[in-house]
Amino acid sequence: AQKITQTQPGMFVQEKEAVTLDCTYDTSDQSYGLFWYKQPSSGEMIFLIYQGSYDEQNATEGRYSLNFQKARKSANLVISASQLGDSAMYFCAMREGFSGRGSTLGRLYFGRGTQLTVWP
Amino acid sequence: EAQVTQNPRYLITVTGKKLTVTCSQNMNHEYMSWYRQDPGLGLRQIYYSMNVEVTDKGDVPEGYKVSRKEKRNFPLILESPSPNQTSLYFCASSLTGINYGYTFGSGTRLTVV
Repeated sequence: AQKITQTQPGMFVQEKEAVTLDCTYDTSDQSYGLFWYKQPSSGEMIFLIYQGSYDEQNATEGRYSLNFQKARKSANLVISASQLGDSAMYFCAMREGFSGRGSTLGRLYFGRGTQLTVWP
Repeated sequence: EAQVTQNPRYLITVTGKKLTVTCSQNMNHEYMSWYRQDPGLGLRQIYYSMNVEVTDKGDVPEGYKVSRKEKRNFPLILESPSPNQTSLYFCASSLTGINYGYTFGSGTRLTVV
């Protein structure tokens, strides 16, 4: 089973509108971290936001916020006031504390990504 | 500047010609990892290292080798590249712990003809 599922291969949003990128995760650990990365067409991976499993408040970083629903195992990224420069591939990722197999400790699992296009 | 330096950025090679992609980090991170990215498949882990002389396979290790003789360096070796190894490769490093994300290198776009 996939650890991270991103069900939207592509999303479109008009400039200045908000957009939500979906992410669900699968883990039996109580302690884990959730991350979102942005990959523009130039290819580099840019860290956007982090949410810890024990954090009670949703993480926010400027125009990015993470809608964390622990019981539903979802960690959706919300981008407010979209800009043309937000057009990129977005990856959701999870890092587990300890899987029971020590060899996976520290590993970051990635979803397949969502291609966001912002139009004027 | 804290960074992961990966070289080369672009590489075109022929089938069977051994190559090495270098990766170096200056943040004293214990954890280092190699990923490949292919369209529609996201990022898949090739190998990772928890510390010096400690390496292990990820999801797609076939055809690759790594070594971790020093904490800062984690080269990826393709002993006999094949066209199915054409991909975008990323090296990444981090501290260990669930609240640490990865710092990525700039990527290496490899084409094997």
